[in-house]
Amino acid sequence: RKEVEQDPGPFNVPEGATVAFNCTYSNSASQSFFWYRQDCRKEPKLLMSVYSSGNEDGRFTAQLNRASQYISLLIRDSKLSDSATYLCVVNRDDTGKLIFGQGTTLQVKP
Amino acid sequence: EAGVTQSPTHLIKTRGQQATLRCSPISGHTSVYWYQQALGLGLQFLLWYDEGEERNRGNFPPRFSGRQFPNYSSELNVNALELEDSALYLCASRGGGAVYNSPLHFGNGTRLTVT
Repeated sequence: RKEVEQDPGPFNVPEGATVAFNCTYSNSASQSFFWYRQDCRKEPKLLMSVYSSGNEDGRFTAQLNRASQYISLLIRDSKLSDSATYLCVVNRDDTGKLIFGQGTTLQVKP
Repeated sequence: EAGVTQSPTHLIKTRGQQATLRCSPISGHTSVYWYQQALGLGLQFLLWYDEGEERNRGNFPPRFSGRQFPNYSSELNVNALELEDSALYLCASRGGGAVYNSPLHFGNGTRLTVT
């Protein structure tokens, strides 16, 4: 079983739709969590950190459920420019390693 | 503020050769991470350096090695190149020490092609 798992998708949604991605992690020593966005053949860019109480940044909302060991990303009012691969990242404080999920591909259609 | 810089942008080598990739972290960052991303695959953790020392490495053979210099820049060396080493190699930095809850900041990557 992979340490960080994501549904690879693709998720094909119309503009204006709300879409949610989940990510599960297997190691309870994981302490920090992030969502990154990666455009085709480019480097990943930080979208947002994920805090225990949940956090929001504009149209994006991140949630953390430590009991069930998953994090989620909600995108409201999808734009064409949101089309990308979304990477879930888990930081293992015991090893310092940051483990990336395989990514979930989102395609927003007009 | 300058971001993470990597060089070269592209590198073409033949099987059996050695490749050297370079990375300069964001000013003030002491931790450097290297990842490999083969076409269509996710990021695979390669190496982590902090304060000049190798702190952890991923499941890669010993022919993948590197080092971190006193100015915190880093070098990744890949010896005896194989065709499957063709990938995008990403370097990232963040504050070291106790700043483990800070995110990584990535460079643009080096695209290595082995023929």
